[in-house]
Amino acid sequence: SAVISQKPSRDICQRGTSLTIQCQVDSQVTMMFWYRQQPGQSLTLIATANQGSEATYESGFVIDKFPISRPNLTFSTLTVSNLSPEDSSIYLCSVEDRGTPYGYTFGSGTRLTVV
Amino acid sequence: GDSVTQMEGPVTLSEEAFLTINCTYTATGYPSLFWYVQYPGEGLQLLLKATKADDKGSNKGFEATYRKETTSFHLEKGSVQVSDSAVYFCALSDRGGATNKLIFGTGTLLAVQP
Repeated sequence: SAVISQKPSRDICQRGTSLTIQCQVDSQVTMMFWYRQQPGQSLTLIATANQGSEATYESGFVIDKFPISRPNLTFSTLTVSNLSPEDSSIYLCSVEDRGTPYGYTFGSGTRLTVV
Repeated sequence: GDSVTQMEGPVTLSEEAFLTINCTYTATGYPSLFWYVQYPGEGLQLLLKATKADDKGSNKGFEATYRKETTSFHLEKGSVQVSDSAVYFCALSDRGGATNKLIFGTGTLLAVQP
């Protein structure tokens, strides 16, 4: 199955700054997904990123706040902009993993704390 | 839209007890169903899956059967261990949409005491 390297694993950021999270996959994948897991909550999909096209955002998430890049079939970044304490969450990337049919592999997550 | 509802936790059990975590879903199409587990301080791992009605997914002693008639995918284990303490998420794959995104339930915290 696919292996995802997600960086950084955690960070503490000041209000008003931005954090960029990277996900590197060891195989080519068509779609990558970005999720947010707020403290004590479930996972909520932020957006779906296809290579060579604009990301598709879910209701409640906008590109200005969560810009995404997908320069090739093995890499994507999510930036969380203009940080506020409400952005403190775990952010995870995921791919649909053809190595495990109908399964999805997740990165280990980035724990963001905004102070 | 599609949704997943799972029982609220925390669920606290003694070692070797029987576990059931209920999960029901709402979907317009024929989704695939999943259970994911998140151990303390770790990422999300696929525990088991089922892709069509009456399929049974199983792994590490856990089982779940895709019941279309009751729109359920309850997770069961006959004898839990302390090492099973984790958060369990039921999810479905929105296979009718343009992307096969996952829709998660709220998660159920399981605490197993020795």
